Amino acid sequence: QKEVEQDPGPLSVPEGAIVSLNCTYSNSAFQYFMWYRQYSRKGPELLMYTYSSGNKEDGRFTAQVDKSSKYISLFIRDSQPSDSATYLCAMILTGGGNKLTFGTGTQLKVEL
Amino acid sequence: DTAVSQTPKYLVTQMGNDKSIKCEQNLGHDTMYWYKQDSKKFLKIMFSYNNKELIINETVPNRFSPKSPDKAHLNLHINSLELGDSAVYFCASSPTGIFMFFGPGTRLTVL
Repeated sequence: QKEVEQDPGPLSVPEGAIVSLNCTYSNSAFQYFMWYRQYSRKGPELLMYTYSSGNKEDGRFTAQVDKSSKYISLFIRDSQPSDSATYLCAMILTGGGNKLTFGTGTQLKVEL
Repeated sequence: DTAVSQTPKYLVTQMGNDKSIKCEQNLGHDTMYWYKQDSKKFLKIMFSYNNKELIINETVPNRFSPKSPDKAHLNLHINSLELGDSAVYFCASSPTGIFMFFGPGTRLTVL
């Protein structure tokens, strides 16, 4: 079993839809939780991060962490075709070299 | 004004060959990384250097040897390439060891 599990998709939604992307994890020691967006043939770019449990909002994006359930989510409101990408959740244990552990990514396509 | 750059972008080579990938960052970060992304998009850390010193060395075959001549550069040399080495290799840098800035990737195909 991988440390971080993520639905691979692909997920196809119409423009304007609300998208929910999720990850579960097994290591309760993870402290920082991140979402990276990766466009086709590009490197991942940091989209949002949260420290510990709670919500964080940035424009159309909301990141949510529930440490008690070991579950994190990314919500995208009013999705746009430009949101079409692979979304990778990632989490990190600080100390000991700070190894970032990624989920397998969810491929999202937002259609006109 | 590229932050993290890698060369080459594409690399096609025969099994058994030796090849190198170069990475440079102009962000002034102390820590640099090599990640491997397989065909299923799974991204896994290979190595990490902090100010030219190796700090993370995951279970990677000895055929892979990183080298950091200075804190802005991290190269990856691969000996005796195998079919299973085909993947996209990403270089990354970080100011804190938490948030990664990735390069554009090097797509390696071993025939």
